[in-house]
Amino acid sequence: AQTVTQSQPEMSVQEAETVTLSCTYDTSESNYYLFWYKQPPSRQMILVIRQEAYKQQNATENRFSVNFQKAAKSFSLKISDSQLGDTAMYFCAFGLYSGGGADGLTFGKGTHLIIQP
Amino acid sequence: DARVTQTPRHKVTEMGQEVTMRCQPILGHNTVFWYRQTMMQGLELLAYFRNRAPLDDSGMPKDRFSAEMPDATLATLKIQPSEPRDSAVYFCASGLDEGDYEQYFGPGTRLTVT
Repeated sequence: AQTVTQSQPEMSVQEAETVTLSCTYDTSESNYYLFWYKQPPSRQMILVIRQEAYKQQNATENRFSVNFQKAAKSFSLKISDSQLGDTAMYFCAFGLYSGGGADGLTFGKGTHLIIQP
Repeated sequence: DARVTQTPRHKVTEMGQEVTMRCQPILGHNTVFWYRQTMMQGLELLAYFRNRAPLDDSGMPKDRFSAEMPDATLATLKIQPSEPRDSAVYFCASGLDEGDYEQYFGPGTRLTVT
């Protein structure tokens, strides 16, 4: 079974600062994806960024980037130039896939990120 | 734009009553997932389907929960009888079995069992 650990229950930074959220996972599988989801107070789960395990290059999406360390099983999220709208719960998730498709996701407990004005 | 819809958005019921939650996946998506979110346990996978066939329901309490896909446009999650510990937000997500494997989440059903 896979496990995902987010060691920071809550983080708070000033607007425009850079913040890094940590995530580690444990698996013996080789074909998998990693995701960061954002959940604002509206409860909607929003995909922030994804990383294919077979790709060495770290994924980036505008102000969001990841530091994927496969050997260390680490997948941190960096948010640059943080904005008030980034305030939300952030979940790290692990997903296996095979020739038949994707399995369900395993989520971490989440990090509550607060951006202060 | 295409999105996953869930009904009802909120449900308050008394212990012992049957609860049915519905999900309409994005048209063309062939994989449907049910997740439950609670403060204590976080987000947990309950069950999922591919091409309407159940693949894994090991996360679901078998004695009271059941999940079905009567057709490609409807997935249901039933709880009978409901208990206070079932109070949670239930999410449905859909995706494709190829490509980037992204799962698109619905808005969730907030269930309160009194």
